Amino acid sequence: RKEVEQDPGPFNVPEGATVAFNCTYSNSASQSFFWYRQDCRKEPKLLMSVYSSGNEDGRFTAQLNRASQYISLLIRDSKLSDSATYLCVVNSNTDKLIFGTGTRLQVFP
Amino acid sequence: GAGVSQSPSNKVTEKGKDVELRCDPISGHTALYWYRQSLGQGLEFLIYFQGNSAPDKSGLPSDRFSAERTGGSVSTLTIQRTQQEDSAVYLCASSFNGGYQETQYFGPGTRLLVL
Repeated sequence: RKEVEQDPGPFNVPEGATVAFNCTYSNSASQSFFWYRQDCRKEPKLLMSVYSSGNEDGRFTAQLNRASQYISLLIRDSKLSDSATYLCVVNSNTDKLIFGTGTRLQVFP
Repeated sequence: GAGVSQSPSNKVTEKGKDVELRCDPISGHTALYWYRQSLGQGLEFLIYFQGNSAPDKSGLPSDRFSAERTGGSVSTLTIQRTQQEDSAVYLCASSFNGGYQETQYFGPGTRLLVL
């Protein structure tokens, strides 16, 4: 089983739609959780950290369910500029981060 | 301020040749990471440097891969006797202190093609 698993997509949604991505992780001792965004042929960049209580940043909401070892990212009112690959990231039991293979989002007009 | 920089941005080489990839982390960042991303794949951890500690080399795929970090700043990833399966984007990242809660800042990567 992969340490971090994501649905690869692609998710094709119209502008204005709400879309949700899910991610599961295998290491119950993980303590840090992130969503990174990677545009085509670009480097990954931090989108947001994920906190136990859930957190929101504008149109983006991240949630963590430790019991189920599950992380989610919700994007409301999708924009064309949201088109990218979204990487779920979890720390291992050291300082290393484990990256999922990503979920591709394509927002169309 | 300046971000993480990597050079070259693209490298084409012949099978069997050695290549060196360079990474300049953000000034003041003590932690430096190398990753590899093959087409359509996730990021694969290669090696991690933190300050003066011994590097974590657990992700290096074979003894053809090595890396060093001189003076706690610039890092060089060396691949000896390159193989076609080494073709990938090699990404470098740095963070302030290397803790698992810290944001990693990535460079633009080096696209390596082994013919």
